[in-house]
Amino acid sequence: AQSVTQLGSHVSVSEGALVLLRCNYSSSVPPYLFWYVQYPNQGLQLLLKYTSAATLVKGINGFEAEFKKSETSFHLTKPSAHMSDAAEYFCAVGGYNKLIFGAGTRLAVHP
Amino acid sequence: GAVVSQHPSWVICKSGTSVKIECRSLDFQATTMFWYRQFPKQSLMLMATSNEGSKATYEQGVEKDKFLINHASLTLSTLTVTSAHPEDSSFYICSARTPGPRYQPQHFGDGTRLSIL
Repeated sequence: AQSVTQLGSHVSVSEGALVLLRCNYSSSVPPYLFWYVQYPNQGLQLLLKYTSAATLVKGINGFEAEFKKSETSFHLTKPSAHMSDAAEYFCAVGGYNKLIFGAGTRLAVHP
Repeated sequence: GAVVSQHPSWVICKSGTSVKIECRSLDFQATTMFWYRQFPKQSLMLMATSNEGSKATYEQGVEKDKFLINHASLTLSTLTVTSAHPEDSSFYICSARTPGPRYQPQHFGDGTRLSIL
């Protein structure tokens, strides 16, 4: 069985500050992990994916995530937040047949 | 690449009406598509997995007769909400998986907001 826990339903940062969104997973098989972003009234856009090739994964819009097997974590980071980063972020685990999504983290960026 | 188009983006209709939502993969062939439902401020709930040329696989608790899914071609899946009622009002999102190994991601449409009066 697979599951995802996103710690913190709301995160607020100042523009220019570090963004850290937390994701922990549970998986009985080697996991494939994904981060998606959702803007209001839109579908989900893929930010990045972990497929076991490299533990540090770089994605679009300056985001990156590090896979830590010992901590069962896949936290999303961005060095400097921009106003346009304000959105809902979803961590997901899975692969071929299903994606299991976390509850989501709403990121607010204030001036 | 990997663009998924969903239509319509917004539907308002009367109770008892059937509503069809289309999901198209524009630049790749998708043997598998997925339909999700999302309630306000909540995560996505998988409703069913749509396989080209075969019957859809529904998640537990999803009414097959209420939510009809057809995946007639490698680029098109449709979700029909039959005899819709106000409780069916929601945001419906489809996705399509790019071909290849099992770690290939799903790519999502922009969603359809369904409002039943």
